[in-house]
Amino acid sequence: DAGVIQSPRHEVTEMGQEVTLRCKPISGHDYLFWYRQTMMRGLELLIYFNNNVPIDDSGMPEDRFSAKMPNASFSTLKIQPSEPRDSAVYFCASSLAFSFSRQETQYFGPGTRLLVL
Amino acid sequence: AQKITQTQPGMFVQEKEAVTLDCTYDTSDQSYGLFWYKQPSSGEMIFLIYQGSYDEQNATEGRYSLNFQKARKSANLVISASQLGDSAMYFCAMREGLGAGGTSYGKLTFGQGTILTVHP
Repeated sequence: DAGVIQSPRHEVTEMGQEVTLRCKPISGHDYLFWYRQTMMRGLELLIYFNNNVPIDDSGMPEDRFSAKMPNASFSTLKIQPSEPRDSAVYFCASSLAFSFSRQETQYFGPGTRLLVL
Repeated sequence: AQKITQTQPGMFVQEKEAVTLDCTYDTSDQSYGLFWYKQPSSGEMIFLIYQGSYDEQNATEGRYSLNFQKARKSANLVISASQLGDSAMYFCAMREGLGAGGTSYGKLTFGQGTILTVHP
């Protein structure tokens, strides 16, 4: 089975530009998560979806960040306008369920390394 | 207070030896899940092992086992017969239930990680 797919793998952009990160979750997984990893803050959840509906976006840093999930197989995380402090690795993850069993394991994509100059 | 604490910034182990990576957690909820992930230098996050708060037996996945001590709130990862390919950053993570409060439900909270180096 294909794992979580993310694109692009690397993105270099200039401050002020719009950045769009893409994610395809594992087929059949009902939950999709966006995380950000930085040296200073470690791994932190930005937002997660259940059945395409955003459930918790309390981790989204500010209004410059937005995320959508138009269908069960696709999600985007958009930063507009981008700033140098947005430079990080952005991970998408998906899971089957929330069940306090192995089924709730979140499987991560390879990540997108974003550098904003 | 930190929800996940990994006190060992770095660990060294000889190839073929066993190593224990420490993890303590803090939650007031009775329902929670504990995870270990491996992040090699290539950057991907690889799931290793899961332990549910209601699981009575310690989880095992091949060479990985989780030493779960609920009363002490610890979930240490044991890697047996270390291999050179085990050199990586290891993260402990927790997902809490609704009893922890609405803002915690759903998300994985990660520790700061432990860098493991396996020497030949």
